[in-house]
Amino acid sequence: EVQLVESGGGSVQPGGSLRLSCRVSEFIFSSYQMNWVRQAPGKGLEWISYISRTGEIIKYADSVRGRFAISRDNAKDSLYLEMNSLRDEDTAVYYCVRDSGLLAYFDLWGRGTLVTVSS
Amino acid sequence: DIQMTQSPSSLSASVGDRVTISCRASQSVSTYLNWYQQRPGKAPKLLIYTTSNLQTGVPSRFSGSGSGTGFTLTISGLQPEDFATYYCQQSFNYPRTFGQGTTVEI
Repeated sequence: EVQLVESGGGSVQPGGSLRLSCRVSEFIFSSYQMNWVRQAPGKGLEWISYISRTGEIIKYADSVRGRFAISRDNAKDSLYLEMNSLRDEDTAVYYCVRDSGLLAYFDLWGRGTLVTVSS
Repeated sequence: DIQMTQSPSSLSASVGDRVTISCRASQSVSTYLNWYQQRPGKAPKLLIYTTSNLQTGVPSRFSGSGSGTGFTLTISGLQPEDFATYYCQQSFNYPRTFGQGTTVEI
């Protein structure tokens, strides 16, 4: 089955760090651009980061730039999100999302992993 | 950043109704407008891409239209499984931005 499975979420204190992982299966990971999208409890969707197929092109939302780092390992079919200097407002479900490419729609979503930032 | 505004924020409807959700962009996104459905407790799911193209497996009662700054998602003949929250999203430029969502309730 074609799927994305996130892991690494949990509870962390403000100022702390966390690393999210996304393992993909049943498609050629290296052929796809990838994204992270988050959703705070009871709120809407917020795109936070993009990475190209080779990792050469990376983009961030202003809300996470300088604190979060997206990366990928095509040999391991995995996407990552390193999150530092976490704030209360980073509390959300984080989704790993496949990018369709040229038309740039999000055609495959993981189930998400919950990150809770609280003292 | 391109701001996406949906209306209404929520609506009540009955099975069999025709439902229309609007999405407006703060500047032109050409036809780079996508729609997602999110059922409670689930991940979002792509419904329509580039304004009017139905994703594989999505029922034909869903349709999309528009261009530039104004777009519409229509559900013709609402089914019980369609009660969910719908988001529009522009893929014209970065940052990718979503509308605030429209919840379709019974």
